[in-house]
Amino acid sequence: AQSVAQPEDQVNVAEGNPLTVKCTYSVSGNPYLFWYVQYPNRGLQFLLKYITGDNLVKGSYGFEAEFNKSQTSFHLKKPSALVSDSALYFCAVRDMSNYGQNFVFGPGTRLSVLP
Amino acid sequence: DAEITQSPRHKITETGRQVTLACHQTWNHNNMFWYRQDLGHGLRLIHYSYGVQDTNKGEVSDGYSVSRSNTEDLPLTLESAASSQTSVYFCASSEHRGDSGYFGPGTRLLVL
Repeated sequence: AQSVAQPEDQVNVAEGNPLTVKCTYSVSGNPYLFWYVQYPNRGLQFLLKYITGDNLVKGSYGFEAEFNKSQTSFHLKKPSALVSDSALYFCAVRDMSNYGQNFVFGPGTRLSVLP
Repeated sequence: DAEITQSPRHKITETGRQVTLACHQTWNHNNMFWYRQDLGHGLRLIHYSYGVQDTNKGEVSDGYSVSRSNTEDLPLTLESAASSQTSVYFCASSEHRGDSGYFGPGTRLLVL
């Protein structure tokens, strides 16, 4: 079965510093990988995805992620963090086996950017 | 503009009552999903549908049911609400496996 791990419950970073939110996955075939952000009392907003092609994916709000097949990772990064980036971040993989086309989510990582 | 909406946004109910959460999308997507979000678990799949008259169980389907009578709507019913079903519920839709999907704003349900 597909699964997603986000090893850090919480990530703290100073404003202006680079940030990384980690994600590792387990899938039987080629992964479709996604990052979403959730602000308080809001739904999920799509940030970026990897389907195929270039391992470095650029997305919304200056975020990017690097697909690493050998390490089965898809870490989210941003060169310079903003206080407004503080939110809950979810990594997800598209599961084509047990539950059809649904998303399998990691437990989430709370990012706090300190001024 | 196309959108996906959920209602109600907040609901308080008592154990044993039947509750229905509505999800409506105007993307004309065939695929629709219901998830629940709980601290430490991320989002877990409850039920999903690939089209009209199609429904399937997800990872945490016990105590829930769905029906799909048209493309736009996938209502989620809690047959007899339990305190363990206190959660935030998200509906989503997507057209194909490569797309990011669209998530509704969520329904916060409290079962007393």
